[in-house]
Amino acid sequence: EAQVTQNPRYLITVTGKKLTVTCSQNMNHEYMSWYRQDPGLGLRQIYYSMNVEVTDKGDVPEGYKVSRKEKRNFPLILESPSPNQTSLYFCASSLGGPLDTQYFGPGTRLTVL
Amino acid sequence: GDSVTQMEGPVTLSEEAFLTINCTYTATGYPSLFWYVQYPGEGLQLLLKATKADDKGSNKGFEATYRKETTSFHLEKGSVQVSDSAVYFCALSATGNQFYFGTGTSLTVIP
Repeated sequence: EAQVTQNPRYLITVTGKKLTVTCSQNMNHEYMSWYRQDPGLGLRQIYYSMNVEVTDKGDVPEGYKVSRKEKRNFPLILESPSPNQTSLYFCASSLGGPLDTQYFGPGTRLTVL
Repeated sequence: GDSVTQMEGPVTLSEEAFLTINCTYTATGYPSLFWYVQYPGEGLQLLLKATKADDKGSNKGFEATYRKETTSFHLEKGSVQVSDSAVYFCALSATGNQFYFGTGTSLTVIP
């Protein structure tokens, strides 16, 4: 089944404790992206990647890191999480770029205490 | 910078009512425009899109026309069903490879 998977689905952590949210797609998509969803703000793009080893900042990259060492994986790294990073995070992928249909993962709900 | 503004929600309609959700945009260049839908507890899915002025996107009875003169991409459906209850996001991609969503409009359809 074609899908985007994220892990974990739920995470409660404490300020400053490094964490990684994994994202994987099995559709051989070139474009992958991370978004955060907050009430009243909609979804905002954190980082995106057009291909392996190519990543770029979105609208809200501060406090996040990403890597794209393989086409299928695009992990989101929070090296020192803070409470303002409490949010619902979505990974998405598309075939060639943002103009193609983006397929979204199920979301990761992160709480930073 | 590029941005999308959509009407505030929530919107509550009776079944078979007409739906309009307004969306306007600001962008450099010639953006492509999208409507994504998020059903409760799920990720987003593409509903429809339009890539140039005067294009009409349509899917599942929903339609939206790309109006360059009014920088708008309003979503419409002639007769909503309970199953259309969801959050609807207008979005755009213009220059570069970034993607911008609006704040979302929650729709509840009551029987």
